[in-house]
Order: sequence, then structure tokens, then C-alpha cells
Amino acid sequence: QSALTQPASVSASPGQSITISCTGTSSDVGGYNYVSWYQQYPGKAPKLMIYDVINRPSGVSNRFSGSKSGNTASLTISGLQAEDEADYYCSSYTSSTTNVVFGGGTKLTVL
Amino acid sequence: EVQLVESGGGLVQPGGSLRLSCEASGFTFSNYWMHWVRQAPGKGLVWVSRMNSDGSSTTYADSVKGRFTISRDNAKNALYLQMNSLRAEDTAVYYCARGRSYAGYYIDYWGQGTLVTVSS
Repeated sequence: QSALTQPASVSASPGQSITISCTGTSSDVGGYNYVSWYQQYPGKAPKLMIYDVINRPSGVSNRFSGSKSGNTASLTISGLQAEDEADYYCSSYTSSTTNVVFGGGTKLTVL
Repeated sequence: EVQLVESGGGLVQPGGSLRLSCEASGFTFSNYWMHWVRQAPGKGLVWVSRMNSDGSSTTYADSVKGRFTISRDNAKNALYLQMNSLRAEDTAVYYCARGRSYAGYYIDYWGQGTLVTVSS
């Protein structure tokens, strides 16, 4: 099963906004509203940031938002802060036999 | 408070076996899908396996199918991963995680992980 496609890295200055893309197929991202996003700091477990494309768990800053268009989902972080520097992973339900697929991850650098 | 605590990792030779355990607390374990996700050193997250709440449905990544077996004991609030015929490429931190929503596809809680090293 192929991983979802994410850019390897993105960078921006504090206060700016960034968008991380997550491209799949009609069998996963495009076929279902079941996309999630995770934040991971080095040496730590991932943390859920977005689920079901657009929903934020309780406690997650509203600077984080999710969206989807066709086979591509996106995570947008507005008003970048130094603490947002981390790795970000998307995941989707898939109709393949595995039912779950992750993206390759994107390293966010806050300049 | 939801807690997931993995154990059982360590150093094993290629071709060997290892059984990982995950002790769950703070929620009704028998109501949730559960996953194993791994992360090789310096690499990204890779989904490994998942099991539904009553243990009747399991799925595996192609890379581990036929070698790894996921299981659970709802009476003990425990999730397991039996890993056989281990290869160097199985070296990773293995996370136990709780699934939510449709078929448990997304993960709302993760353990801290246990490191498995496959090397001679």
C-alpha cells in the first residue's frame, strides 16, 4: 500500500501561515471524509491535531485547521509560533485491505 | 486519564521473535479499536496493524502480514503484538494507540513506545 504524499519540509517565519498538503487517491483521501493530522516532536509520541478532515480535538489551538479538495487534504497553521516547529503526519481511511494509511511526514521549521 | 503503556521491546537477532504488550487504563478498553504503529529511527510513522473492539477483525500492513499477529485480552485491558521472523527493517519504536471514528481509523491516544532492535 502506498503512503500518502506530503512535502518533506516547509518553513516560514513566526506570525505567518503555512499549509501542508497530503495527496492520496480516490480510494483514500478523495473517497472519504476520514483524514487526520498528527504533530510529533523529536523523541515524543504523536499528538492528534485534526480528525475527520476538519475537526479539532479539545485543547488543540484554533490556529490549526484542516480542509480537503478532491484527493488532497491540507493542514493550515496560522500565526506560526516557535512551538509549532515539529513533524506533521496525515493519515486517511482507505478502501484497501489495510484500511489505514499514513503520509510520509512533513518537517515544519519556524525560521 | 487515558494511559497506554507498552513493554516487551528489546534486542533480538534476525529471524527471532518478540511479543509486545500494551497495558491500557483510564477508559473502557473493550469499546475501542486498537492499533500498532511503528517508526524506524529518523523515519516517519508507519501503520502496522489494528484490531476491532471484540477482536473479531484484524488488518495488517503488507510488510508484516504473515509474520506479525495482533491480539487483545479485554479482561486484562491488554493489547499484544506477536512478531516472528524478524528482520533488520523491523527495527523501530512501536507505538500502541487507540482508534476512533469510522472503523477506528484515527488515533486519539498514543503510548510512549517501545524500541525493537533487530540485529546480530
